[in-house]
Amino acid sequence: AQTVTQSQPEMSVQEAETVTLSCTYDTSENNYYLFWYKQPPSRQMILVIRQEAYKQQNATENRFSVNFQKAAKSFSLKISDSQLGDTAMYFCAFMEYGNKLVFGAGTILRVKS
Amino acid sequence: DTAVSQTPKYLVTQMGNDKSIKCEQNLGHDTMYWYKQDSKKFLKIMFSYNNKELIINETVPNRFSPKSPDKAHLNLHINSLELGDSAVYFCASSQDMIGTDTQYFGPGTRLTVL
Repeated sequence: AQTVTQSQPEMSVQEAETVTLSCTYDTSENNYYLFWYKQPPSRQMILVIRQEAYKQQNATENRFSVNFQKAAKSFSLKISDSQLGDTAMYFCAFMEYGNKLVFGAGTILRVKS
Repeated sequence: DTAVSQTPKYLVTQMGNDKSIKCEQNLGHDTMYWYKQDSKKFLKIMFSYNNKELIINETVPNRFSPKSPDKAHLNLHINSLELGDSAVYFCASSQDMIGTDTQYFGPGTRLTVL
């Protein structure tokens, strides 16, 4: 079964700085999809960014970008110009066949003013 | 306009009771899901339905019974509630079941079993 590992339970960053959250996964599949979801204190799960494994180019969404290393099975999230509203739990997720999302344990990110 | 909505948002009940959580999506999606988030924030899929048909059942106890009356609704009924059922339950939906489909989540229902 596929697994997703987030090795950083908690991280802090100063406002306006850059932070990188790590994620590794294990799979024998060649085509798959990777996601980062954000869960603020409101509990809502919000899609941050997604990456298709067949695309070599790293996905970018405004201040959020990923570093996708397929051979290393690594999928890190970089948040630039961190804002207080970025404070949340961040989940890395892998999509299996049948659209089943497998989540990592999450990383709590605190942005400090 | 809420895309994926769940009712109720909070549910407190006694052990042994039966309860239901309702989910509705107005995105015109064909596939809906139930996820459980435990006290350590770990998220795991429970069920998925595509066009009202059960696709994924992740060895969830049969006290949990999903029901999809139509494509826009997926309800979760739980019989004989146990303390370990306390969790946040998320409904989600996606256009279809292919890998390109992003899943959109509801706001979650926090279930507390006393």
